[in-house]
Amino acid sequence: GQQLNQSPQSMFIQEGEDVSMNCTSSSIFNTWLWYKQEPGEGPVLLIALYKAGELTSNGRLTAQFGITRKDSFLNISASIPSDVGIYFCAGPPRSSRGKLIFGQGTTLQVKP
Amino acid sequence: GAVVSQHPSWVICKSGTSVKIECRSLDFQATTMFWYRQFPKQSLMLMATSNEGSKATYEQGVEKDKFLINHASLTLSTLTVTSAHPEDSSFYICSARDARSGPDTQYFGPGTRLTVL
Repeated sequence: GQQLNQSPQSMFIQEGEDVSMNCTSSSIFNTWLWYKQEPGEGPVLLIALYKAGELTSNGRLTAQFGITRKDSFLNISASIPSDVGIYFCAGPPRSSRGKLIFGQGTTLQVKP
Repeated sequence: GAVVSQHPSWVICKSGTSVKIECRSLDFQATTMFWYRQFPKQSLMLMATSNEGSKATYEQGVEKDKFLINHASLTLSTLTVTSAHPEDSSFYICSARDARSGPDTQYFGPGTRLTVL
């Protein structure tokens, strides 16, 4: 079935640095969603992308829907300690409309 | 908007007992809700899709008699783990689709930590 591959698996950065992570698939997705999960909590929706080439921002976060529809990128500018968490990409598989499959997640740690 | 709650946030039970977890959409109606399971340091795994007024659809490998789902209203879905065993210990998270948002967008509850002794 369709899979989402996230990279990097983990990042340890200094406060103030910019962060970039991506999500790729061998199949086309029509929607890309980015979530953040903190320990012991459910995922929180950060950005939703619905159109190829779309670039959307949410504060210091910017995400892009790849032109090929097979990838998406999430950038965080000027990271702060509260950015710590696991970032997941997600999208609806072609075979099952309405469901979501998730990437493995990118764990972000920020050193003050 | 698009707030989803879960109750309880954590539960400890003895092996062999049943546990019910509630998932509510607080400010919107959800004809479809989803139940996920997450093991430590792993991603979310979809267990089942809960449809209001009809039977839930389960993912391959998920026992429907073990994980009973009831979606009795447009704002409430429940997951009952029957005859729980230690291997059922996990983090259970529900989500709901809000028709006001874009297609496929799901909003998640805060999760329920189940520990079976």
